[in-house]
Order: sequence, then structure tokens, then C-alpha cells
Amino acid sequence: AQSVTQLGSHVSVSEGALVLLRCNYSSSVPPYLFWYVQYPNQGLQLLLKYTSAATLVKGINGFEAEFKKSETSFHLTKPSAHMSDAAEYFCAVNTGGTSYGKLTFGQGTILTVHP
Amino acid sequence: DAMVIQNPRYQVTQFGKPVTLSCSQTLNHNVMYWYQQKSSQAPKLLFHYYDKDFNNEADTPDNFQSRRPNTSFCFLDIRSPGLGDAAMYLCATSKGQGARETQYFGPGTRLLVL
Repeated sequence: AQSVTQLGSHVSVSEGALVLLRCNYSSSVPPYLFWYVQYPNQGLQLLLKYTSAATLVKGINGFEAEFKKSETSFHLTKPSAHMSDAAEYFCAVNTGGTSYGKLTFGQGTILTVHP
Repeated sequence: DAMVIQNPRYQVTQFGKPVTLSCSQTLNHNVMYWYQQKSSQAPKLLFHYYDKDFNNEADTPDNFQSRRPNTSFCFLDIRSPGLGDAAMYLCATSKGQGARETQYFGPGTRLLVL
């Protein structure tokens, strides 16, 4: 079965510092990988996704992620953190059939940004 | 703007009293999903509809049912809520093109069971 593991349930950075949120996947076939962000008491918003095209994927709000098959990783980065980036971030693998998806999420990483 | 709408945002029910959560979409997507997210946990898929075809996850309790009367609306019915069913319930939609496509989420309904 396909799964993802997020390393670090909490990450704290200073405003302006690099953000690095780690995600490793387990899959016997090329996976479809997603990063979603969730603000308190809100739904999930897509940041970016990897669907076997370019390995470096750029998303919204200055985030990007690189798919590394050799490391089975899909880490999320942002060069300079902003206070508004404080939220919970979920990495997910999408399985399912030809007409639907099934997102299996990692446990989430809460990002704190301090002044 | 096209979107996924969930009402109400907060729902309080009593132990054992049936409750229905509502989701609607203006995206005209074929697939609608319901996820359960318990406190400090990741969302977990309960079931999905492709058009009117219902697909239940194997480990979804029988206490949870769903209805999709038309393309725009989907309901989550909890027949006899227990304390363990208190959670955020997230509705999502997708076009119906498989696992590579994006799922669009509503803001969620937080259910409290007293």
C-alpha cells in the first residue's frame, strides 16, 4: 500500500528563514504526491502536486517541492518564511482508480513562524 | 467563484441523536468525497460518490451513510453519533479523472457530540 511519512510534527522558524517540511513516501509505483495546507478551523488548500512531469514543482505562496525518487522524498520548501505561513501542512499520496482519487495523508506538520 | 460549501460550520448534537451534514458545490464535479478528521489527526476518507455511484471505504463504520440527490449536493448522515464521532468533517470534490487530479475541499463542519 502507498503511504507517506512526515518527519517532525512541529517545525518552528523565524520570519525570513528557510522553511523545510519533510515528507517521505512508500510506493511500488510512481506516486502522485500532494502538499496541502490547513489553517485553523478551515479546510485543506492545495499548495502543489507532483504527477510525474517535472520533478521540481512550484506552488502557491512561494512554496516548492522536489520529487527525489532515489530518496523517496517530496520535501516542501520556501526560501523565506512569512508570518502568514503559520499553519498545518499535510503531505499526501493519491491512489484510487481511473475516475476518482483517494488521498492518504501523513500525520501533518504544524509550522510556527516567530518574529 | 466556484467553490465547495459546507453547512453548518459547527454542529452540536446529542449522543445517539441522528445528524446530517451538508455539502454543495458549484464546480460541477463528478466526484464528491467525505473525509473525517479527528483532533490532531490527518483526514481519513470515509466514502465517495462518482455521479450516483456510491463507494464505501472498507473500514468506514455502518453508522455513517451518505446521499447524493443531484450533482451539486451531498449529505453525510450519522445515524447514532457516539462521542468518538466528534471530529471535523471535510467534503471534497474532483472532476473524475483519477488519482493525478486535485481534490477541492470545503471549509469543513466541526461536529460536537454531547
